Amino acid sequence: QVQLQESGLGLLKPSETLSLTCTVSGYPVSKGYYWAWIRQPPGKGLEWIANIYQSGSAYYNSSLRSRLTISVDASKNQVSLKVTSVTATDTAVYYCARQDSSGVLDIWGQGTVVTVSS
Amino acid sequence: EIVMTHSPATLSVSPGERATLSCRASRSVSNDLAWYQQKPGQPPRLLIYGASTRATGIPARFSGSGSGTEFTLTISSLQSEDFAVYYCQQYNKWPLWTFGQGTKVEIK
Repeated sequence: QVQLQESGLGLLKPSETLSLTCTVSGYPVSKGYYWAWIRQPPGKGLEWIANIYQSGSAYYNSSLRSRLTISVDASKNQVSLKVTSVTATDTAVYYCARQDSSGVLDIWGQGTVVTVSS
Repeated sequence: EIVMTHSPATLSVSPGERATLSCRASRSVSNDLAWYQQKPGQPPRLLIYGASTRATGIPARFSGSGSGTEFTLTISSLQSEDFAVYYCQQYNKWPLWTFGQGTKVEIK
């Protein structure tokens, strides 16, 4: 059974860097899927942020690209996301998900709440 | 960016009734359309992909149809566990995947 678990610091101040980790169990991150991050601001809809393939090829939401870095660590079976210079608009639940080559997100983690406040 | 628009924003339905949810794309996405269900405090769950293919373990009361710009999710007989928010997602434009703002299905 494939499971994804997000972790990271939940409360940040404006201008700080958000660091999130997705630990995958039951499936090797090095095998044939993309691994994505999606976020959901309070009471709002879903926004795809970034994904990465086993090879390290990464894709980013163009509106956030300059602030994002996604990486994969096959030895730990983890995917990480960094968001620099956060503001209140980055407040959201952040989900990691497995994404197939067409773009379908078939397995999701439970999400982690991130709040940006001074 | 392809904009996905749901209608209605909220749908009030009695248990056992049929629910029909619509999703429109700002330009054609062929059949590259997925539906997700999200309950409060939970992550989204994949229901439908390829516009009409049910994901593993999804009950047959959920069905999807459409292509191009107009898509429909039908729940044939609403069960108590089906009251949730439903999102469509287009994956035609790689890697510019976008979601709609969702339709909330609530108890009438």
